[in-house]
Amino acid sequence: GDSVTQMEGPVTLSEEAFLTINCTYTATGYPSLFWYVQYPGEGLQLLLKATKADDKGSNKGFEATYRKETTSFHLEKGSVQVSDSAVYFCALSDAIIQGAQKLVFGQGTRLTINP
Amino acid sequence: DAGVTQSPTHLIKTRGQQVTLRCSPKSGHDTVSWYQQALGQGPQFIFQYYEEEERQRGNFPDRFSGHQFPNYSSELNVNALLLGDSALYLCASAKQGLNSPLHFGNGTRLTVT
Repeated sequence: GDSVTQMEGPVTLSEEAFLTINCTYTATGYPSLFWYVQYPGEGLQLLLKATKADDKGSNKGFEATYRKETTSFHLEKGSVQVSDSAVYFCALSDAIIQGAQKLVFGQGTRLTINP
Repeated sequence: DAGVTQSPTHLIKTRGQQVTLRCSPKSGHDTVSWYQQALGQGPQFIFQYYEEEERQRGNFPDRFSGHQFPNYSSELNVNALLLGDSALYLCASAKQGLNSPLHFGNGTRLTVT
């Protein structure tokens, strides 16, 4: 079945550092790929998405590129802030085969930014 | 515009009991999905409701059941609770359609003792 693997955390960085969180996936079809963020005590918020190969999703300084050849969707940000501290989830959905509502999530990566 | 709202926020139950969790979707949304998020893990899909019917189901036993009402709100019921059912239960809603993004609620934290 479909699956998502994220780099293990936790990740701790200093403010203004460069961030990369790795994500790779396995899927039988042509999935859409997502990054969700979860702040303490809250639900998940969609951070960015890409629906086809070579698409780049971006939001709030974060970006990720859908790489079909490496089955990856790594999250990057050039200069992180303390407010970026949260848990980040990579996810996929295969809307054609399974419907857009069934997301398959990675295990999450906890990010802590120190001032 | 209220987003997805879930109730209660926290719940403590005893093993063997039954529990009902509730979800109101974001205004304009007509499909609701439920996810279970164990501590330190990513959410896992339980099932999806649309037009008051269960449309898809993840790998969860029949102890997990649900309902969607004509106003699109939804309930998740879990019978014969096990300690392993302790988790954050997330509701997500969307407008039915291939590219409609999911909006998540803040979840209900269920603790089974």
